[in-house]
Amino acid sequence: GENVEQHPSTLSVQEGDSAVIKCTYSDSASNYFPWYKQELGKGPQLIIDIRSNVGEKKDQRIAVTLNKTAKHFSLHITETQPEDSAVYFCAASRAGTALIFGKGTTLSVSS
Amino acid sequence: GAGVSQSPRYKVAKRGQDVALRCDPISGHVSLFWYQQALGQGPEFLTYFQNEAQLDKSGLPSDRFFAERPEGSVSTLKIQRTQQEDSAVYLCASSYRDLTTYNEQFFGPGTRLTVL
Repeated sequence: GENVEQHPSTLSVQEGDSAVIKCTYSDSASNYFPWYKQELGKGPQLIIDIRSNVGEKKDQRIAVTLNKTAKHFSLHITETQPEDSAVYFCAASRAGTALIFGKGTTLSVSS
Repeated sequence: GAGVSQSPRYKVAKRGQDVALRCDPISGHVSLFWYQQALGQGPEFLTYFQNEAQLDKSGLPSDRFFAERPEGSVSTLKIQRTQQEDSAVYLCASSYRDLTTYNEQFFGPGTRLTVL
């Protein structure tokens, strides 16, 4: 079955810096890759997703890139703000299967 | 509009007790998922419903775990004879379409279960 590895487990940046979180997946048939943000005491919230027919997607300060050959995808947050501090999860799936999540990255943005 | 709600938000059970966790998905959502999230880990899939049909229960860790969605809306996750290793946050998510179509899963706030 699918296995998703996520790095780093913790990331500390200064306000205004960029943050990058990387994930690798094992199932070459996976073709949907969402990223979720989870704040303390809340459920995960989708922030961006990408399908395997595109290599990059942007939404304001957030971007995701996908390398199907290497089976890895990354989340890029630019101009980080303190409110970006949270746990971020990557996930992967293919049609008809449930999401498989990485173990999460705790992002801390200090002002 | 209301999102996914779960109740109770916190549950403390003595080892061996049965518990029932409730999920109210977004109205009209076809798909409903249950996940288990251990401390410091990502959510792990437990089971999936398409309307009232439980199409995948491959993630349920033992036969002590049972889920139902009898009318295709509200779902209940029941854990019998709870064990300490069952302590976790149980997340419910729903989505508008079935699993054959990629679409956002909306998560509830979770129920934190602590088994003493």
